Amino acid sequence: SAVISQKPSRDICQRGTSLTIQCQVDSQVTMMFWYRQQPGQSLTLIATANQGSEATYESGFVIDKFPISRPNLTFSTLTVSNMSPEDSSIYLCSVVTDTQYFGPGTRLTVL
Amino acid sequence: GQNIDQPTEMTATEGAIVQINCTYQTSGFNGLFWYQQHAGEAPTFLSYNVLDGLEEKGRFSSFLSRSKGYSYLLLKELQMKDSASYLCAIQAGTALIFGKGTTLSVSS
Repeated sequence: SAVISQKPSRDICQRGTSLTIQCQVDSQVTMMFWYRQQPGQSLTLIATANQGSEATYESGFVIDKFPISRPNLTFSTLTVSNMSPEDSSIYLCSVVTDTQYFGPGTRLTVL
Repeated sequence: GQNIDQPTEMTATEGAIVQINCTYQTSGFNGLFWYQQHAGEAPTFLSYNVLDGLEEKGRFSSFLSRSKGYSYLLLKELQMKDSASYLCAIQAGTALIFGKGTTLSVSS
């Protein structure tokens, strides 16, 4: 199992600004994933973050917009840069241990 | 690429049985997952199928046919608290790719 915490749980931001979301896991994990869930939609994978290497981004997501850090095996950050209202979404951190677990999510509203 | 299809919405009554179908096309397959997601909460793991057949876990069962690209989640003895979204997800590489989810509404 895995217990995942995320900070902040929610935020309201102005367009053009950036927000960094933190993800902390209670055990060491090799791979961490960042997902986005837009209102009323399912989860879309943004990127896979492995410790010690650059994140791998899915089609439609780029590092300049969503830079990711993975400094150790229990922690990762996702930054949403130069935000616009279209970035309003829930951002979820996820890890794989015996199965895939999800953090509680960060609800972001961009005005 | 991957394509995952589920019905958008389903309704059922307390005590009933409901089957949520999922069909998929994928270039790789390492397993199929079902998750439950209540409004405003993170998805929680329900089941995992990698081989053909039925996996039973209490009131919930999940079936997989790899040759048909088909799975279903069976919920028995429905309770009001089962009202949620049910997400079918394929593991083609390392991460999960999700379908759009099925919103189940259980009424009394």
